[in-house]
Amino acid sequence: QLQLQESGPGLVKPSGTLSLTCTVSGGSLSTSDYYWGWLRQPPGKRLEWIGSAYSSGSTYYNPSLKSRVTISMDTSKRQFSLNLTSVAAADTAVYYCAKLRISTAVAVDWGQGTLVTVAS
Amino acid sequence: DIKMTQSPSSVSASVGDSVTITCRASQPITKWLAWYQQKPGRAPKLLIYLTSDLQSGVPSRFSGSGSGTDFTLTISSLQPEDFATYYCQEANSFPSFSFGGGTKVEIK
Repeated sequence: QLQLQESGPGLVKPSGTLSLTCTVSGGSLSTSDYYWGWLRQPPGKRLEWIGSAYSSGSTYYNPSLKSRVTISMDTSKRQFSLNLTSVAAADTAVYYCAKLRISTAVAVDWGQGTLVTVAS
Repeated sequence: DIKMTQSPSSVSASVGDSVTITCRASQPITKWLAWYQQKPGRAPKLLIYLTSDLQSGVPSRFSGSGSGTDFTLTISSLQPEDFATYYCQEANSFPSFSFGGGTKVEIK
């Protein structure tokens, strides 16, 4: 059974860089028909797509975050990562990694989520 | 950007009731609409994709319908485990996609 697990610091200082890694077990990152993505949910607010990556190296980002986001993949380690630069309090959220099925355009598997707080 | 508006924002219902949640897109999205269930402190769970297709393992009391800009999720005969927050998600421009604001189904 596929499992995704987020890891990284739970506290980031304003203007710093938020870095998270998602480790996938029970499956391969090279599976066709799937993207690997990051989403977030600020406290009490709606879910927001951050960006996605394909095993070929192609990446896609939310236009509202594009200037600050980088997603990279390491298929040999079964990991993909998120870097978000110049963070502010508005970036405080639960961050999820997810497996996205391309043919039906949905997130079929999710990590448990990790709370990242931006504060000094 | 496509904006998704859900209504109501919350609904109170009893076990055994039928509940309908509505999601409206700011522009036509044909069939590219999904529904998720989220319980407190947990990741969302996919229920329905492509407007009306049930994800494997999801009970048949969940159903979806709609097209264009207006979509609905119906839960017939609410069960105790169904009390949660439900989100719609559009994917008309996948890999870019967005979510509605959520509908909390509470116990009356």
